[in-house]
Amino acid sequence: SQQGEEDPQALSIQEGENATMNCSYKTSINNLQWYRQNSGRGLVHLILIRSNEREKHSGRLRVTLDTSKKSSSLLITASRAADTASYFCATDWAQKLVFGQGTRLTINP
Amino acid sequence: GAGVSQSPRYKVTKRGQDVTLRCDPISSHATLYWYQQALGQGPEFLTYFNYEAQPDKSGLPSDRFSAERPEGSISTLTIQRTEQRDSAMYRCASSLASGEKAFFGQGTRLTVV
Repeated sequence: SQQGEEDPQALSIQEGENATMNCSYKTSINNLQWYRQNSGRGLVHLILIRSNEREKHSGRLRVTLDTSKKSSSLLITASRAADTASYFCATDWAQKLVFGQGTRLTINP
Repeated sequence: GAGVSQSPRYKVTKRGQDVTLRCDPISSHATLYWYQQALGQGPEFLTYFNYEAQPDKSGLPSDRFSAERPEGSISTLTIQRTEQRDSAMYRCASSLASGEKAFFGQGTRLTVV
């Protein structure tokens, strides 16, 4: 079974709004990562947050990590049409990288 | 190489045939992963390598699936006696070390008819 679970499964917002998606996981981790996938193409790494970090920023992305709740959130600010994609969290569980089922984000013009 | 390269990009095979998929990782990367991804789903872990060692193959669906990385660089995933349920996108990724930022190839779409 997958280590991580994203919520919601699908999210549709207007361009310019902020998008927030969440990830919960089951066991202790060294780091948590977020990836983007456009229309069934290859996955692209967005950001990595380590277990001793609580928040990290990269451009319009903000990631938080709460190890006590075993959860993370990804915030995309000022969304653009090009942000339409599936977003996956991945945890380094048992020395391997394990992915959740993803959140499908649609940005409406 | 500059990125992770997978071949072939598309493979159509008849049920019962064997297929071999190839992954050429980034040259400096110790770790190589194989995933299976169904449409609309997340990548499902199959197996991974640290150089030529294969510490975990718990995700391989059956003994028809096997993977190799004999010289710690290029890897192959072989599916014997293919079945229709094996139809999926197979993705390879590599990273400097296990659990770190991974770089994905474009995948091989396998269709078993």
